Amino acid sequence: KNQVEQSPQSLIILEGKNCTLQCNYTVSPFSNLRWYKQDTGRGPVSLTIMTFSENTKSNGRYTATLDADTKQSSLHITASQLSDSASYICVVSGAAGNKLTFGGGTRVLVKP
Amino acid sequence: KAGVTQTPRYLIKTRGQQVTLSCSPISGHRSVSWYQQTPGQGLQFLFEYFSETQRNKGNFPGRFSGRQFSNSRSEMNVSTLELGDSALYLCASSLDRGSTDTQYFGPGTRLTVL
Repeated sequence: KNQVEQSPQSLIILEGKNCTLQCNYTVSPFSNLRWYKQDTGRGPVSLTIMTFSENTKSNGRYTATLDADTKQSSLHITASQLSDSASYICVVSGAAGNKLTFGGGTRVLVKP
Repeated sequence: KAGVTQTPRYLIKTRGQQVTLSCSPISGHRSVSWYQQTPGQGLQFLFEYFSETQRNKGNFPGRFSGRQFSNSRSEMNVSTLELGDSALYLCASSLDRGSTDTQYFGPGTRLTVL
């Protein structure tokens, strides 16, 4: 069964600090992995999309890594800001039919 | 360029009723997908439409259906509503069906079933 597991479920960090979110998946065959940011009450916004051959991709202060061998990805947030408070969702696309499997998300709270 | 719009934003229905939600994709986008988001289950894929045809379907009962019009606008219908259908329903559009196409999400329709 295709699954995407994210950890931690939630974390609190101080403004200016860095943090790393984890995503492990069992989706096979694999097409791509996406990270989304979802603010409370709003739809998700795409941060990065990585295919099998990509190891890392950045979007401003967000850097995603992918290890397709171990089926793990991480999202690193550098110098966190209050506006980074949101849920971060890892999504994996299987090669067949573009079906997406969603992780449960990590809720990040940045405190001043 | 306007983003994905969904109407209505909020909806309250009672068990047994039916509901229709609407989604207007970004201009030029031909693929529209629907998702259900609940606190317990997270985001779950409902279905995807491309060029007026359903291309993919998630594991939801037949009470959930949808369609896409020639202008790419899409509607989702839920019949015989149950309490468990209370959720945020999100629509996302992308330019094409390419697996690396970025999906742009709308703000969602929050459905409450009483």
